Amino acid sequence: GAVVSQHPSWVICKSGTSVKIECRSLDFQATTMFWYRQFPKQSLMLMATSNEGSKATYEQGVEKDKFLINHASLTLSTLTVTSAHPEDSSFYICSATNTGDSYEQYFGPGTRLTVT
Amino acid sequence: AQKVTQAQTEISVVEKEDVTLDCVYETRDTTYYLFWYKQPPSGELVFLIRRNSFDEQNEISGRYSWNFQKSTSSFNFTITASQVVDSAVYFCALSEAVYNTDKLIFGTGTRLQVFP
Repeated sequence: GAVVSQHPSWVICKSGTSVKIECRSLDFQATTMFWYRQFPKQSLMLMATSNEGSKATYEQGVEKDKFLINHASLTLSTLTVTSAHPEDSSFYICSATNTGDSYEQYFGPGTRLTVT
Repeated sequence: AQKVTQAQTEISVVEKEDVTLDCVYETRDTTYYLFWYKQPPSGELVFLIRRNSFDEQNEISGRYSWNFQKSTSSFNFTITASQVVDSAVYFCALSEAVYNTDKLIFGTGTRLQVFP
């Protein structure tokens, strides 16, 4: 149980285009989802916290107009990187909390974004 | 402020050696959770353990063991008789969640390489 999926697992896009990454909780309802970014050989940095039905809370330094987060249902959150640039190339990881076990975050497999 | 320090950037051992990964944390809260995650080359985070601040008992799970010492704010992880499959990046993380899930603060990770 408590499986989180991400789609796509990897994506290559051209500079200036937008790309959407989906995060789904497959077998549980997730009231809260988190989006992390990880640059090569670095740690995970929290970008934003997403609660179902409300606006996401962004961490300091993260541009909310560039990284659009939508959490429209209890099983789906999306991250859209708008007008992507090569410096946005990174590994994006989502996690979700099970409403029945609020201390546990279940992580998705990650999405590798490459902007050319 | 919350902070997690993993001073060891990289560790290399030969198979069957024991290895300890250090984790030191900072928090002002009296209630918090500590985690260890494994990130193999595939990128997916693998949950290893969660420990709450009121439980200082050491834990053993197979070849893995954890030593939690509040007096030194440390939560060290030991792998006994290491194997090549243990090669990965290991992250220690801290959460001050009490009743609601809160964000995880990750350390910078320790890259473990186990050679045959």
